[in-house]
Amino acid sequence: QVQLQESGPGLVKASETLSLTCAVSDSSIISSGYYWGWIRQPPGKGLEWIGTISHSGSTYYSVSLKSRVTVSVDTSKNHFSLRLTSVTASDTAIYYCARRNRPAAFDIWGQGTMVTVSS
Amino acid sequence: QSALTQPRSVSGSPAQSVTISCTGTSSDVGGYNYVSWYQHHPGKAPKLMIYDVIKRPSGVPDRFSGSKSGNTASLTISGLQVEDEADYYCCSYAGSNTLAVFGGGTKLTVL
Repeated sequence: QVQLQESGPGLVKASETLSLTCAVSDSSIISSGYYWGWIRQPPGKGLEWIGTISHSGSTYYSVSLKSRVTVSVDTSKNHFSLRLTSVTASDTAIYYCARRNRPAAFDIWGQGTMVTVSS
Repeated sequence: QSALTQPRSVSGSPAQSVTISCTGTSSDVGGYNYVSWYQHHPGKAPKLMIYDVIKRPSGVPDRFSGSKSGNTASLTISGLQVEDEADYYCCSYAGSNTLAVFGGGTKLTVL
């Protein structure tokens, strides 16, 4: 059964870079043919799509975050990563990684990891 | 890309039916048959309930159904159960650059 697990620092200082990793088990990121994405939920707010990477390495980002976001894949470790630069308090959120099996359909999610941006 | 519009809250009694709407534009909901719906219980991962507007993943009860008319998609839950109480989010494909845009979420209360 495919599982996703986020990991990374729970606390990041303002203006610094947020880095998270999503480990994928029981499925190869590259050979599975799926896309893999990051979604976040700020406290008390709704879900927000951040970005997605395809099995071939093509990347797609939210227009509002595009200038600060990078999603990449490490094939040797079978995980994909999120990098968000110049963070502010508004980047405080639960960050989820997920598998996309159809356009706009994320069928398997990690449990999420809370990231707080401190001043 | 603006978020899709959902009602803040809806409510219903057990055994009743409720419908949650999700309004977008011709650039997202109206332009593609790629709308999905998620059930989200606080503290848990969101769960995919509907994809491609009307399709249910394996294991999702047929009490959950999706539809679309123009720029508005809808999720209908029939035979409400207490465990259906959760937040529900719609999501739409919006083109080759914006792969996904979410709605603001709807809190379903089962009275």
